[in-house]
Amino acid sequence: EVQLVESGGGLVQPGGSLRISCSASGFTFSISPIHWVRQAPGKGPEYVSTISTKGSRAYYADSVKGRFTVSRDNSKNTLYLQMSSLRVEDTAVYYCVKEGDGYNNAFEIWGQGTTVTVSS
Amino acid sequence: QSVLTQPPSVSGAPGQRVTISCTGSSSNIGAGYDVHWYQQVPGTAPQLLIYATNNRPSGVPDRFSGSKSGTSAALAITGLQAEDEADYYCQSYDSRLSGSWVFGGGTKLTVL
Repeated sequence: EVQLVESGGGLVQPGGSLRISCSASGFTFSISPIHWVRQAPGKGPEYVSTISTKGSRAYYADSVKGRFTVSRDNSKNTLYLQMSSLRVEDTAVYYCVKEGDGYNNAFEIWGQGTTVTVSS
Repeated sequence: QSVLTQPPSVSGAPGQRVTISCTGSSSNIGAGYDVHWYQQVPGTAPQLLIYATNNRPSGVPDRFSGSKSGTSAALAITGLQAEDEADYYCQSYDSRLSGSWVFGGGTKLTVL
């Protein structure tokens, strides 16, 4: 079964840092584009970041550029998102998502999400 | 303010047909990029419903269909059922933005 499991969320103060993880199973992680998407309470999903399969290229939404860093460890089938200089507006459920094979880049597989709360 | 605009809510009685619109611009839907649709039941992750405008993943009933014209897309649901009550989101790619993937703000479907 294809599965993505996020972890590492929690409560952090504004200006603080946090690293969340996404553990993958059931597919060949090393050749699969994986993205981070977040959803603030009561809002629609928002794209956050992508990393290339070998980890050589990373892409970020303008809202997180310069503050978030995405990485992956293909030997551990794990994706990471290092978040720093966190703001109240970064409060959201963070999902890792996998594109479906043959689905024209649609996000077929979603993890259950991990909640990040930025508050003093 | 989402890049893709959806109505906040729609409603319909069981058995009826409803449509949900998704309005974009020349840098996303109007540029010919694919439109995908997701269904989200509160408390759960979004689930892919329609990909590449009008294709259904395995397991999605044919009551769900999509279309696209110009800078807009639409999701149609026929034979409305109580279990269809959920939030629906459209998604596309935007050539102007560094992050590229954009979503609509979502539409709450209420089955009366």
